[in-house]
Amino acid sequence: GQNIDQPTEMTATEGAIVQINCTYQTSGFNGLFWYQQHAGEAPTFLSYNVLDGLEEKGRFSSFLSRSKGYSYLLLKELQMKDSASYLCAVRGQGYSTLTFGKGTMLLVSP
Amino acid sequence: SAVISQKPSRDICQRGTSLTIQCQVDSQVTMMFWYRQQPGQSLTLIATANQGSEATYESGFVIDKFPISRPNLTFSTLTVSNMSPEDSSIYLCSVPVQGADGYTFGSGTRLTVV
Repeated sequence: GQNIDQPTEMTATEGAIVQINCTYQTSGFNGLFWYQQHAGEAPTFLSYNVLDGLEEKGRFSSFLSRSKGYSYLLLKELQMKDSASYLCAVRGQGYSTLTFGKGTMLLVSP
Repeated sequence: SAVISQKPSRDICQRGTSLTIQCQVDSQVTMMFWYRQQPGQSLTLIATANQGSEATYESGFVIDKFPISRPNLTFSTLTVSNMSPEDSSIYLCSVPVQGADGYTFGSGTRLTVV
């Protein structure tokens, strides 16, 4: 089975940097995904890591350490519109389905 | 990536009735996934729908309660049967992104059972 853990909520200030952590224990591993979900909307894809290291995409970066079962999403130059829930999801080995963490609600204040 | 049209966007239903949710994809996809997101919670996979075969249900979900159809490679329906207030959730369909890693989601159906 899969067990995914991430903080319930975080707060940060506009213009700052925030790091959202995700730890996982899985019976197999075939990639880790980060999604952003605004209230009342569908999740939108942010990033994907399958190998160790950092993937950078504009203001967003995601890091993976497979040996530690650990990932983080780094958001730079925070904007008010970044206030949303951030979902960490793991794909198991040989499967196409995702298991989602409970999500981290990020509140960005002025 | 694929574009998914999901209907209805929301509904309020009486307990004991059934609601069928539709997802139409603008390209052919082998696998479609149905998720439930209960209030304040993350997404839970209900089942995987493959064209030409029975859907594969996750633990805790059964075909009698959540029958799924997959008549072709661009369309699927999920029915929530004999609804109770505990079924009040957002239901989402999802498909893999072709040629890349990632998954696209439909806009969701917000169901309230009264």
